[in-house]
Amino acid sequence: GQNIDQPTEMTATEGAIVQINCTYQTSGFNGLFWYQQHAGEAPTFLSYNVLDGLEEKGRFSSFLSRSKGYSYLLLKELQMKDSASYLCAVRDRGYQKVTFGTGTKLQVIP
Amino acid sequence: DTGVSQDPRHKITKRGQNVTFRCDPISEHNRLYWYRQTLGQGPEFLTYFQNEAQLEKSRLLSDRFSAERPKGSFSTLEIQRTEQGDSAMYLCASRSGTEADTQYFGPGTRLTVL
Repeated sequence: GQNIDQPTEMTATEGAIVQINCTYQTSGFNGLFWYQQHAGEAPTFLSYNVLDGLEEKGRFSSFLSRSKGYSYLLLKELQMKDSASYLCAVRDRGYQKVTFGTGTKLQVIP
Repeated sequence: DTGVSQDPRHKITKRGQNVTFRCDPISEHNRLYWYRQTLGQGPEFLTYFQNEAQLEKSRLLSDRFSAERPKGSFSTLEIQRTEQGDSAMYLCASRSGTEADTQYFGPGTRLTVL
């Protein structure tokens, strides 16, 4: 099975940088995803990491260390619209089941 | 809009009634997932289809829950004899068979059991 941990809540200031951490313990691993979810809406895909290292996509970057069971999502130049929950999710071996963490609720303040 | 649609978007029912939800995935996606999400939690995996075959089913899915994907296209999730604890958002997601491809979620069906 999978066990995924991420902070419950974070607060950051508009224009700043915030790092959301995720640690996981798995019986099998085939990729880690980050999703953004605004209140009352479905999750939307942000990033996918399967190899160690940093993946950059505009203002968002995601890092993975498989040996440490650790990932982070880095959000730069924060905007008010970035206030949302950020979900870390791990995919099992075999590319089937994806297990989600409970999500980190990020509040961006002026 | 991701291309995954779900119907209905909201459902209010009385305890003990049966409900059925529908999911239409992106047409070329052969993999389809159902999740349940309650407030403050991440989506919980319920079941997974590859084409019409149901390949994995969570222990969370009691005998009151059943899912089908009869022609490998749309899927239905039925809950029999609903209980108040079934109140949640039910999310459907689909993806292609490519290793790196992510899941695309539909807007969800919010179920309220009174």
